[in-house]
Amino acid sequence: DGGITQSPKYLFRKEGQNVTLSCEQNLNHDAMYWYRQDPGQGLRLIYYSQIVNDFQKGDIAEGYSVSREKKESFPLTVTSAQKNPTAFYLCASSISSGKGNEQYFGPGTRLTVT
Amino acid sequence: AQKVTQAQTEISVVEKEDVTLDCVYETRDTTYYLFWYKQPPSGELVFLIRRNSFDEQNEISGRYSWNFQKSTSSFNFTITASQVVDSAVYFCALSEGPYSGAGSYQLTFGKGTKLSVIP
Repeated sequence: DGGITQSPKYLFRKEGQNVTLSCEQNLNHDAMYWYRQDPGQGLRLIYYSQIVNDFQKGDIAEGYSVSREKKESFPLTVTSAQKNPTAFYLCASSISSGKGNEQYFGPGTRLTVT
Repeated sequence: AQKVTQAQTEISVVEKEDVTLDCVYETRDTTYYLFWYKQPPSGELVFLIRRNSFDEQNEISGRYSWNFQKSTSSFNFTITASQVVDSAVYFCALSEGPYSGAGSYQLTFGKGTKLSVIP
């Protein structure tokens, strides 16, 4: 079955540590995205990638970094520079970054930093 | 800048009641796309529907129906005969087009409406 996997589902870290969230897709999609969701809020775009070896900042990229070395993978690193890292992180992909293409989402990773 | 407003933060209905979730959007583009997603308690967003700005026909899919009105910039979602499994957070989203530079491809989400269906 095709889909998007994110691991782990729950992640706990101490303040000051970097942490990397995994996102893998086997849908053969070119475009991938990372969103952050806070309670009572919509999704906010962190980074997106339209193609391998290319990525762009979204609305709230500060304190985050990404890489896109393979079409299937788009890991997100939450660095110690991110002031409020505790949140629910969702990865998504679409066949391309065209306007009308629906995005498909993974199950999410809930990150708690103490 | 594009914007999506879901004024209803939370709605509770009794099972079998009909419920309508409101979505109002703002955009300067003449070509755009509207989406609805469902987020059940498990957290994963599930794609429900896409509508482009040139297609104002209402759509029905089982118990779900969508009413798109450009005159009022609204794209409302109705669930008929609600069921407990419909309990979730529902998001409306907007994507502008055609591609006009970095950042113009992205989806703008509303803050969501939490629907609780009581048995």
